[in-house]
Amino acid sequence: NAGVMQNPRHLVRRRGQEARLRCSPMKGHSHVYWYRQLPEEGLKFMVYLQKENIIDESGMPKERFSAEFPKEGPSILRIQQVVRGDSAAYFCASSPGLNTDTQYFGPGTRLTVL
Amino acid sequence: SQQGEEDPQALSIQEGENATMNCSYKTSINNLQWYRQNSGRGLVHLILIRSNEREKHSGRLRVTLDTSKKSSSLLITASRAADTASYFCATFGNEKLTFGTGTRLTIIP
Repeated sequence: NAGVMQNPRHLVRRRGQEARLRCSPMKGHSHVYWYRQLPEEGLKFMVYLQKENIIDESGMPKERFSAEFPKEGPSILRIQQVVRGDSAAYFCASSPGLNTDTQYFGPGTRLTVL
Repeated sequence: SQQGEEDPQALSIQEGENATMNCSYKTSINNLQWYRQNSGRGLVHLILIRSNEREKHSGRLRVTLDTSKKSSSLLITASRAADTASYFCATFGNEKLTFGTGTRLTIIP
């Protein structure tokens, strides 16, 4: 049973470009969470999604950031017009439907904005 | 705002010694969890303690929870070089985890 998969593991973008981060949850998991970790800090919640629904996006910046979890395929975190401050590690976690307090984390995508 | 605050921020001990890290939080919780993160890597779930539990053990790990003081501690006994990592507490509420700032633990061989 593969764990949570994220790709790419490392992503370099220039200011103004778009970044797309992908997350495939563990098999059988229908809940996905995205967290951001700035250097030397803890993880900060961004968004919680179930298939085709955004449940809680209270941690998402109001502009340039969006997330989706379609019926088929991975969850996507999209950052438009990236700025240097977006440089961070972005972690995805998944959980089965009933026990959302146990979240399984992926290896993260490290985004560097030049 | 950060829910959890760990202290110390950094801790260096000799291999074989015990390491204790503390975490304080602000609001009521369903449970509190501890994670380990090796440098540049993802998070590894260590242990979960529910709000009605006071102490929990897992191998060399011992976690305590004091809901009246809104604090938790993680004890790693007989430390090993492989325990070198950052350790984060996270509180679970409203379907999401809120992480603390972490303690960076270094085990000196």
